[in-house]
Amino acid sequence: DIQMTQSPSTLSASVGDRVTITCRASQSISSWLAWYQQKPGKAPKLLIYKASSLESGVPSRFSGSGSEIEFTLTISSLQPDDFATYYCQQYSDYFTFGQGTRLEIK
Amino acid sequence: QVQLVQSGAEVKKPGASVKVSCKTSGYTFTSHYIHWVRQAPGQGLEWMGVINPSGGSATYSQKFQGRISMTRDTSTSTVYMELSSLISEDTAVYFCARAKGEQWPADAFDIWGQGTMVTASS
Repeated sequence: DIQMTQSPSTLSASVGDRVTITCRASQSISSWLAWYQQKPGKAPKLLIYKASSLESGVPSRFSGSGSEIEFTLTISSLQPDDFATYYCQQYSDYFTFGQGTRLEIK
Repeated sequence: QVQLVQSGAEVKKPGASVKVSCKTSGYTFTSHYIHWVRQAPGQGLEWMGVINPSGGSATYSQKFQGRISMTRDTSTSTVYMELSSLISEDTAVYFCARAKGEQWPADAFDIWGQGTMVTASS
C-alpha cells in the first residue's frame, strides 16, 4: 500500500502570508496527486488534481507542484476563508489520503 | 448543477447493517465512477471502495472486504453503500464522491455528497 505523509500537521499563519504544505509518497506516484480543502462539518473540496492542475473555480492563489514522491501545495497570499484542513491524496494505486494539515490563524 | 445528495443520519446497534444512498443529478449517471470515503470523528479520510455505475461492478478496499457492498439503480441515478457487522469503530461520516474523469475510476474526486453520519452504538 502507498502511504502518504503530510507536513506539518498544524500550521499557524496570518492573513497575507505565503504558506506551503508538503506531501510525501512512500513510492513513486508520477503526478497522480490531488489536494483537497475541508472545513468543519463539510465535505472536502477539490483544489488541485494531477499534482499541478487547478480545479475550475478555485482561486489562483492556490498552486501545486511536484512529481514522483514529493509534492507541495502553496497558497500565495492567505485569505480568511483559507483557514481549514488540507489533505493530499494519491490515485496512482488505489486511493490513499495524507493525515491532513490544519491551517490555523496565528 | 451537478449534485450528490446523500440519505440522512443513521444510528445502528453493533452487529447490524447500514445502507447509505447517494442520489446523483446534473450529469450522465453512467459516465462517472462513484467512490465512498469515510471520516471518523476528528480523524482523516479513508477510502472504502468504488463502483462503476455503468456496469455495476465494484472494487473494495481490502480493509472492508467481506462486509461491504456497493450497488446502483440506474432508473433513479442512485448509488448505495451497505456496510454490515457494524462495530463502534465504524462510527463516522460517510461520503460519496464522483471521479473527475469520464469512464475511469483512478482520478481525483471532484464532486462530493454532503456526508451521512452513521453511529454504531448499543
